Amino acid sequence: AQRVTQPEKLLSVFKGAPVELKCNYSYSGSPELFWYVQYSRQRLQLLLRHISRESIKGFTADLNKGETSFHLKKPFAQEEDSAMYYCALLGSNYKLTFGKGTLLTVNP
Amino acid sequence: ETGVTQSPTHLIKTRGQQVTLRCSSQSGHNTVSWYQQALGQGPQFIFQYYREEENGRGNFPPRFSGLQFPNYSSELNVNALELDDSALYLCASSLWGQAYNEQFFGPGTRLTVL
Repeated sequence: AQRVTQPEKLLSVFKGAPVELKCNYSYSGSPELFWYVQYSRQRLQLLLRHISRESIKGFTADLNKGETSFHLKKPFAQEEDSAMYYCALLGSNYKLTFGKGTLLTVNP
Repeated sequence: ETGVTQSPTHLIKTRGQQVTLRCSSQSGHNTVSWYQQALGQGPQFIFQYYREEENGRGNFPPRFSGLQFPNYSSELNVNALELDDSALYLCASSLWGQAYNEQFFGPGTRLTVL
């Protein structure tokens, strides 16, 4: 079975502060992990994927297989980062499993 | 390039009825996945279609069924609606074989079952 856990339902930080959104997963195979984001009144969209090792909008995420984690980080949060963030795992049966999401609010 | 579209945007049905939701893939995409998103939850995978065949399925009963057409558009059918079927239904399209299987989501159809 594959499972994604996002322990924080809500996260509130001030502009300029570092932010870390936690994601832990359970999967017996080699995971492909993603972060999706949904801004207010917009559709769900891909933010980044672990295999690319890319930085999008200042966000990075490192896959830690030992801790089975894929936390999303940004050193200096901006107000426009306020959104719902979902961690997702792609399993071998093409099934994309999402966590319950974390609502990030960046206060001015 | 045309994005993923879904219809209708909202729908109200009563328990026991049947419903059909529609999705048009993004231009150039040949794979469609459907998700159910209950209030306060993340999207839950229902199934995926590729080459007009079901290609993977989540933990949903057989009364959830789908179709994919030659133009890659898709339908989600739900029979014998239950109150718990009330949710946002999301469709996502992708290109089979594309690295990392990035999925592009539609705006969703909000289904309310009374």
